[in-house]
Formats: sequence, structure tokens, C-alpha cells
Amino acid sequence: GNSVTQMEGPVTLSEEAFLTINCTYTATGYPSLFWYVQYPGEGLQLLLKATKADDKGSNKGFEATYRKETTSFHLEKGSVQVSDSAVYFCALRGSTLGRLYFGRGTQLTVWP
Amino acid sequence: GAVVSQHPSWVICKSGTSVKIECRSLDFQATTMFWYRQFPKQSLMLMATSNEGSKATYEQGVEKDKFLINHASLTLSTLTVTSAHPEDSSFYICSAEGGGTESYEQYFGPGTRLTVT
Repeated sequence: GNSVTQMEGPVTLSEEAFLTINCTYTATGYPSLFWYVQYPGEGLQLLLKATKADDKGSNKGFEATYRKETTSFHLEKGSVQVSDSAVYFCALRGSTLGRLYFGRGTQLTVWP
Repeated sequence: GAVVSQHPSWVICKSGTSVKIECRSLDFQATTMFWYRQFPKQSLMLMATSNEGSKATYEQGVEKDKFLINHASLTLSTLTVTSAHPEDSSFYICSAEGGGTESYEQYFGPGTRLTVT
């Protein structure tokens, strides 16, 4: 079946620190992979995505590379800002259009 | 990008009453909408998938008679929590996909916080 495992939070960093949030997945077929961000009191926003192996998704300084050999899609940012404080969700979608499978979410807090 | 709205953004109701939550796709036709439930500091749990004009498909363990979903048009789906109880208090989020949106992407509403007293 499909599932996503995400590193447990919370993650607390100082501004300008390097961020990595680990995400691994189990899936049948060839899934698409996503990172979503949820700011306090809001719904989810798509941060980035990758639809096939070796694709790199990027947005707002965040990056993640679809690694089929390690079934991973780790989120990275070279220099975080206070405004990046939010909950980050890794998700996958199976080879056909339809539901998303979410990880448990990682709370990121960035201090000035 | 495509926009999905939810109404109300928050609601408080008394135990035993019913409450309806609306999910609208504002600038595209949503052939499929999804309803999720999110508990504090936890992930999203898919409750059901609804396709326009047909009955919703509920996930295992979700009571279809308690959580009524209607996808009556290509821009509107509703979730009605019937005979609500305090354990139904949660954050409910809808998402939508359909014609005119970029493939592989679901667009999420801002969520509705339900508190049952």
C-alpha cells in the first residue's frame, strides 16, 4: 500500500540555519510526491512537487529531490527565515489521479 | 492558481445539532472533491471522496450517516455533520481537483474549525 513516513518534530532553528526534513515513502507504481505547508490557522498550500524519479521540485528557496532508489523526498532549505515557521507535510499520490497520502507533519519554528 | 473556499471558517454548535460546511471551487470546475479531518498536531485523515453527481466514497471507519457529503454541482460540495457531539470537534479541510487545474495538483480550502459544546 501507499504510506509516507516523516521525521518527527518539532524542529527549532535559528534564522539562517540549514533545514532538512526527512521524508520516505512506500508506494506501488510510480507516485508523484509533494510537500505542503500549513501556516497557523490556515489550510494547506502546495510548496513543491516532483512527478518522476530524479525530478527536483523547488519553490521559495525550498528544494526536494525524488529519489526512487532510497524512496525519499527530503525537504531542504539553505537559510530559513522566521516566516518559514509552519507545519510541513510530505505527501504522495499514486500512479492514478486521486487521493493524497500524508505524513504526520513536522512543526518548524524559526527564531530570530 | 486555482482557489478553493470554505464556509464557515469556524463554527460552534451545541451537542445534538447538525452543521453544514461548504466547499467551493471559485475559478475552476471541480470534478472531484476530498474531505479531510485534522486533529491537533496530527496529519490529515481522508474522510471521503466525492465526484460531482454521484455518491461519495467514504474511507473505512467513517460513518456515512453521520458525515453526509453532497457534491451537487461542479463548484460546490457540502459536508453535514449530523447530531454533532464533542468528539466531532476538529478542523475540517476540503480539497478539489478538476478541469482547468494543473494535473497532479489538488487545491485546498482554508479549513473550517468545528467546536461542539
